[in-house]
Amino acid sequence: RKEVEQDPGPFNVPEGATVAFNCTYSNSASQSFFWYRQDCRKEPKLLMSVYSSGNEDGRFTAQLNRASQYISLLIRDSKLSDSATYLCAASGGGADGLTFGKGTHLIIQP
Amino acid sequence: NAGVTQTPKFRILKIGQSMTLQCTQDMNHNYMYWYRQDPGMGLKLIYYSVGAGITDKGEVPNGYNVSRSTTEDFPLRLELAAPSQTSVYFCASSPTGGAGGYTFGSGTRLTVV
Repeated sequence: RKEVEQDPGPFNVPEGATVAFNCTYSNSASQSFFWYRQDCRKEPKLLMSVYSSGNEDGRFTAQLNRASQYISLLIRDSKLSDSATYLCAASGGGADGLTFGKGTHLIIQP
Repeated sequence: NAGVTQTPKFRILKIGQSMTLQCTQDMNHNYMYWYRQDPGMGLKLIYYSVGAGITDKGEVPNGYNVSRSTTEDFPLRLELAAPSQTSVYFCASSPTGGAGGYTFGSGTRLTVV
C-alpha cells in the first residue's frame, strides 16, 4: 500500500522565522512529488513541484531525498499569510495519480 | 477559464437519499479524480478516470458510483446516503495522471443526517 506520512503539527512559528517540515513516502517507485497548500475550508492548491535537484520559489525551497524517501519544504521569513495546512503528495506513475499525506498545520504568530 | 467546477457547494441529505455531485473541467484533461477529505485526515481517492468511458476504483469506492461519458464531466453518484459519507468531496483533473500535479475544484461539503 502506498503511504505518505507527515507530522500533523500544529507548528506554531513567530513571524519572520524559518520553518521546515518533512514528508516520508513508502513507494520507492514514486516519480513525482508535490507540495500543496490548503486553507481552511478550501481546496488544495499547488504550491510547488519537487525536483530531484531541489527547487526554490521565492521564500519556499523544496528538496527530495530519494535514498531516505522523504521530501522537505522550507519556508524562510515566514508571513502571517503562510498560515495554512501543507499537504505533500507523491505519484507512483500509475493512473491512480497522487497519494496525499494528511497535512501539516502551520500557524504563523505575530 | 473556469478550471474545475463542482456543484453543489453544500448539501444536506437524509439517510437513504441519493444525489449526484457534479464535476466539470474545461482544460481538456484526460485524467479526473474524486477524493473525500474527513477532518484531520488526508485526501482519500474514491474513483478515477483516465478518459471518456474509462473509470476505476480508488481506495474507498464503496457506496459510490461514477461515469465518464465526456472528457469534461465526471459526476459522482451516492445511491443510499449514510452518515459515514459526511465529508468534503473534491474533484480534480490532470493532463498527465498526476505527474504534472492536479487542479482541484472548490469542493462539495456534504452532511448526511
